[in-house]
Amino acid sequence: KQEVTQIPAALSVPEGENLVLNCSFTDSAIYNLQWFRQDPGKGLTSLLLIQSSQREQTSGRLNASLDKSSGRSTLYIAASQPGDSATYLCAVGGETGANNLFFGTGTRLTVIP
Amino acid sequence: GAGVSQSPRYKVAKRGQDVALRCDPISGHVSLFWYQQALGQGPEFLTYFQNEAQLDKSGLPSDRFFAERPEGSVSTLKIQRTQQEDSAVYLCASKQVGASGRGNEQFFGPGTRLTVL
Repeated sequence: KQEVTQIPAALSVPEGENLVLNCSFTDSAIYNLQWFRQDPGKGLTSLLLIQSSQREQTSGRLNASLDKSSGRSTLYIAASQPGDSATYLCAVGGETGANNLFFGTGTRLTVIP
Repeated sequence: GAGVSQSPRYKVAKRGQDVALRCDPISGHVSLFWYQQALGQGPEFLTYFQNEAQLDKSGLPSDRFFAERPEGSVSTLKIQRTQQEDSAVYLCASKQVGASGRGNEQFFGPGTRLTVL
């Protein structure tokens, strides 16, 4: 079974700092990888989707990279803002069947004004 | 609608009661997923529909869990004889069936928080 790990579990940074969130997965046979943010008591908001054939995706201040062979992805957040405070979840889609997502337990980010 | 909607948003049940959770996917989305998210954990896959066909139910934790999508749009997750360990947030997601790109992105609803007393 695919296992997804996110490090660190929690992170506090001062406003304006650049930061990197890490995600690793055990089975490199993935179809895609998706990064989400989850605010307390809310559902998941999709941030970036990377297909298995891609190396990175960018959206505004966010950049996600994928190294499929080593089973790693990173989410880079530039110039962090207090509004970025949330839990960030990494999820990988399996190659076969339903392509359902396997999630990590998330990184809880706090950006201090 | 503009996004995935779920109802109710919160449900409190006494142990042993049956509950039904509803999901309205994005209009035109063929694929629908149910996930269960325990407190402090990432979501875990329960079941998958393509149109009205339930193609994967390998994540359902017991035979007390049942899901349906009879007309290929709205889906209902039913839990019979609820137990305390069923307390969790139940998330629904939908996606277009596509070979690549945006078609493979899953869009999530706000979830239903179930508390079993």
